[in-house]
Amino acid sequence: EVQLVESGGVVVQPGGSLRLSCAASGFTFDDYAMHWVRQAPGKGLEWVSLISWDGGSTYYADSVKGRFTISRDNSKNSLYLQMNSLRAEDTALYYCAKGAEWKYWGQGTLVTVSS
Amino acid sequence: QAVVTQEPSLTVSPGGTVTLTCGSSTGAVTSGHYPYWFQQKPGQAPRTLIYDTSNKHSWTPARFSGSLLGGKAALTLSGAQPEDEAEYYCLLSYSGALWVFGGGTKLTVL
Repeated sequence: EVQLVESGGVVVQPGGSLRLSCAASGFTFDDYAMHWVRQAPGKGLEWVSLISWDGGSTYYADSVKGRFTISRDNSKNSLYLQMNSLRAEDTALYYCAKGAEWKYWGQGTLVTVSS
Repeated sequence: QAVVTQEPSLTVSPGGTVTLTCGSSTGAVTSGHYPYWFQQKPGQAPRTLIYDTSNKHSWTPARFSGSLLGGKAALTLSGAQPEDEAEYYCLLSYSGALWVFGGGTKLTVL
């Protein structure tokens, strides 16, 4: 059974940093690209970032480019999102999703940016 | 960055048919955008219904279908059920590297 479990969401002050993790199981992790997607409270979905299967290629939405860094550790079946210079508008539920057919999503981890 | 547009809300009668659309600010939506459709109910993670324009997952009810229609991606629901009431999002790929969600369509079955 494929499982994606996000963690690391907390309350953080504006300007602060945070690293989210996504633990993957039930599939060959290093065969697939992975995505981060976020959803602000009461709002729609926003694609955040994509990483290739080997970590060699990364892509970002304009809203996070230069502040967020996506990475992965295939030996640990884990995906990460390093978030720096956080702003109030980064407050959201952050999901990881398996690439290819976007077939599987985690349940999300909540990041709140507030003083 | 491209903007993807969806109808903010639609209403369909039980048993009725409705089509949701997904347009791109860059021009016509094509199969090269690999259109996806997701269903999200309150308090739940999104669930993929359609991938690559018209392909279904094993859990996708047969009453949902995806297509390209008039330069847009389209999700058609034929024979709406009360449990289909949800938010629906489309997703388009731009050169396989950048992805953009539409703003979502709130579908009411009434």
